[in-house]
Amino acid sequence: NAGVTQTPKFQVLKTGQSMTLQCAQDMNHNSMYWYRQDPGMGLRLIYYSASEGTTDKGEVPNGYNVSRLNKREFSLRLESAAPSQTSVYFCASMFPDYEQYFGPGTRLTVT
Amino acid sequence: DQQVKQNSPSLSVQEGRISILNCDYTNSMFDYFLWYKKYPAEGPTFLISISSIKDKNEDGRFTVFLNKSAKHLSLHIVPSQPGDSAVYFCAALNAGNNRKLIWGLGTSLAVNP
Repeated sequence: NAGVTQTPKFQVLKTGQSMTLQCAQDMNHNSMYWYRQDPGMGLRLIYYSASEGTTDKGEVPNGYNVSRLNKREFSLRLESAAPSQTSVYFCASMFPDYEQYFGPGTRLTVT
Repeated sequence: DQQVKQNSPSLSVQEGRISILNCDYTNSMFDYFLWYKKYPAEGPTFLISISSIKDKNEDGRFTVFLNKSAKHLSLHIVPSQPGDSAVYFCAALNAGNNRKLIWGLGTSLAVNP
């Protein structure tokens, strides 16, 4: 039981490049989330998926797209990376009692 | 508009003493509250939660108190240990509305030996 896994752990992109951050959970949770964490900004929700087949915007969705491929997987795509997207990205899934379980994070630098 | 506020960015306590971390919220529709701990270079981990129908929940050294009239909750850690040094996040949600957590900005706790 691996919980929530994220790949890659680290990534450096040039401005304008694209990439997809992968997230998978093996806890059979319906809801999954993507956050970014920046110094002094706490955790900000980018997108979430309440159940397979649905996705909704969070508070900072601009510049990102998501895909809920199946119940296990929820990917985050940067179509044209910008330096402002340099951040640590966390994926999470939610237990029925509202506790969220987080992955280890992806550290992304855009130069 | 910060709906969940942690007004103390940092807190320092001596090992063995009590740590009290505070959190205020503005949305009276929140009905579930959670505390998370985060170490550097790791994802946040769940610590303890409380439903709005309760005013206290205890789990070992960790106790969360909820004062609904004041829209205030606090996390007490007794006794504090050096391994408790981390950033603590308060989060809240309206369970009947959606499954989005609203997060505070965190309080960095340092427990000194």
